Amino acid sequence: DIVMTQSPDSLAVSLGERATINCKSSQTVLYSSNDKNSLAWYQQKPGQPPKLLIYWASTRESGVPDRFSGSGSGTDFTLTISSLQAEDAAVYYCQQYYSCPYTFGQGTKLEIK
Amino acid sequence: EVQLVESGGGLVKPGGSLRLSCAASGFSFSYAWMNWVRQASGKGLEWVGRIKSKTDGGTTDYAAPVKGRFTISRDDSKNMLYLQMNSLKTEDTAVYYCTTEEQQIIDLWGLGTLVTVSS
Repeated sequence: DIVMTQSPDSLAVSLGERATINCKSSQTVLYSSNDKNSLAWYQQKPGQPPKLLIYWASTRESGVPDRFSGSGSGTDFTLTISSLQAEDAAVYYCQQYYSCPYTFGQGTKLEIK
Repeated sequence: EVQLVESGGGLVKPGGSLRLSCAASGFSFSYAWMNWVRQASGKGLEWVGRIKSKTDGGTTDYAAPVKGRFTISRDDSKNMLYLQMNSLKTEDTAVYYCTTEEQQIIDLWGLGTLVTVSS
């Protein structure tokens, strides 16, 4: 199974500042056939189901604000929130869909400082 | 509007069984690959399994902790997804989410249903 490890486990960022969350996979999730990374990012707020933010490592889901961006390739990935808003306080998860079983990172709790 | 509504959760004793249902609407269910994902209280997300569309073979895949105990099925005539859970353990206690999968991407989630396994 592919193990996904996020860092940090939690962070506190001031409004308007940049937030960065890292995700590392235990093996590559890059498909050589299409040169795409099978990596998604989700946001989960208390009492709600997760919401898809980013897929193929860097493609924003429709309706997701452009302050959210994803980057990385192979085994190392980053979710960046360029200018933190109050509504961005949540837990963020990365997930690989390169192979079954699909696996998630342990989550990163983002708080407003 | 795309909607996924889970039901069937509740309290069950260890060793017992439960069947969860997911009612889908607002999209072509018969062509959709569907997943179950669970989340224990205060914990992270754990993929449970998925079923492909019948046009793609209708096959299932499961996570190791549930393989042999859980069965995913679908009724395309009713736009329904099911999760039959047998030999339940306390560690199966979680909110269970029904999700769609598009090109391997888990994109839409239901609100979830809570399963509690306790004596």
